Amino acid sequence: ETGVTQTPRHLVMGMTNKKSLKCEQHLGHNAMYWYKQSAKKPLELMFVYSLEERVENNSVPSRFSPECPNSSHLFLHLHTLQPEDSALYLCASSQDVTGVTSPLHFGNGTRLTVT
Amino acid sequence: AQSVAQPEDQVNVAEGNPLTVKCTYSVSGNPYLFWYVQYPNRGLQFLLKYITGDNLVKGSYGFEAEFNKSQTSFHLKKPSALVSDSALYFCAVRDNYGQNFVFGPGTRLSVLP
Repeated sequence: ETGVTQTPRHLVMGMTNKKSLKCEQHLGHNAMYWYKQSAKKPLELMFVYSLEERVENNSVPSRFSPECPNSSHLFLHLHTLQPEDSALYLCASSQDVTGVTSPLHFGNGTRLTVT
Repeated sequence: AQSVAQPEDQVNVAEGNPLTVKCTYSVSGNPYLFWYVQYPNRGLQFLLKYITGDNLVKGSYGFEAEFNKSQTSFHLKKPSALVSDSALYFCAVRDNYGQNFVFGPGTRLSVLP
């Protein structure tokens, strides 16, 4: 049990579909993150939320739309994706954004395949 | 700008032998260094961190890491490798200006029986 739960674990979607990834953390943390992990590429930070407010958006295409309704839940809404968006999407949380000594706690990820 | 290098894509070691996974970093301020491990179809798990103090830090599953300021390195070590240690290992750094984590590209460790 990681303390950070992601659903679904696997998702196959067509380029015209709309789907959402869900993340929930049970650690009482104030910061949540979306990362993209592609084969043979470094981990890419996509979005950062601190107390439900987006604090960073790393030039992510608008076909990815995050939502953070409260400090325990984070969503990533997907629409009109491209095959190159196929990857493992990881959610993470930390005590807060500015606490530099706090490690990230990751969920097990959603393996997304775009056909 | 912060950066992390893991010079080896792959490390192979025989079970029972000591292992080292290398990491070097570059930051503007004081470094805060982390190691994570990723098993197949799982997220990254935190292993250990260096914040300040003793240069040798101990973490989960018998792993330890040595901080070397002059060489800007933070190598991960274990005295006796297990087959179950086979996984992908990531080094990460933050600085005291509160910038986000920067991860290295990962090193795949294979422990051979």
